[in-house]
Amino acid sequence: NAGVTQTPKFRILKIGQSMTLQCAQDMNHNYMYWYRQDPGMGLKLIYYSVGAGITDKGEVPNGYNVSRSTTEDFPLRLELAAPSQTSVYFCASSYSSRGGRQETQYFGPGTRLLVL
Amino acid sequence: GQNIDQPTEMTATEGAIVQINCTYQTSGFNGLFWYQQHAGEAPTFLSYNVLDGLEEKGRFSSFLSRSKGYSYLLLKELQMKDSASYLCAVRLGGSYIPTFGRGTSLIVHP
Repeated sequence: NAGVTQTPKFRILKIGQSMTLQCAQDMNHNYMYWYRQDPGMGLKLIYYSVGAGITDKGEVPNGYNVSRSTTEDFPLRLELAAPSQTSVYFCASSYSSRGGRQETQYFGPGTRLLVL
Repeated sequence: GQNIDQPTEMTATEGAIVQINCTYQTSGFNGLFWYQQHAGEAPTFLSYNVLDGLEEKGRFSSFLSRSKGYSYLLLKELQMKDSASYLCAVRLGGSYIPTFGRGTSLIVHP
């Protein structure tokens, strides 16, 4: 299994440009997440999905959009890039069942985004 | 709220023992995770606690007290490679979605 994969690894955007961060997992996990991590800070949840066709906002959703058309893929869209979106973006997945004891999150390697 | 508090930074000596604390507001507790994150890398899972007590896994142990809203990660026989950030993540309010603390940066020196 490749686990959780993310592309690109690094990207520089100009203010106002748009881009899509790709995330895929091959573990048949139902839950997927997008986080951003700023220097010296923990992970802040942007959006998450509990299954194909279902997405919901996290703590910091403004400026981002997501879709979940398949179990495997969970792309994150930035429509109008702003300097405040300079960050490291991590995608994660987990398997959650009601009453399940342990649902560890598996993280992708991250995408480093610089908006100038 | 779901405040999760961890010390920002700790230092320790190679071969020693270090305890990293995590406190949280107890409403709707539904599990606590510890992750390790080396600089420039993704977080990786260390431990999971949902019941009170100590979970031991090699050099690493994690403790939970649900009534006190308190957990700690204990690292024994510290090695230089243990220098990393340690993230506490808690599921609260009946949610399956964990909330992360800011992380504790551990520096191990010779």
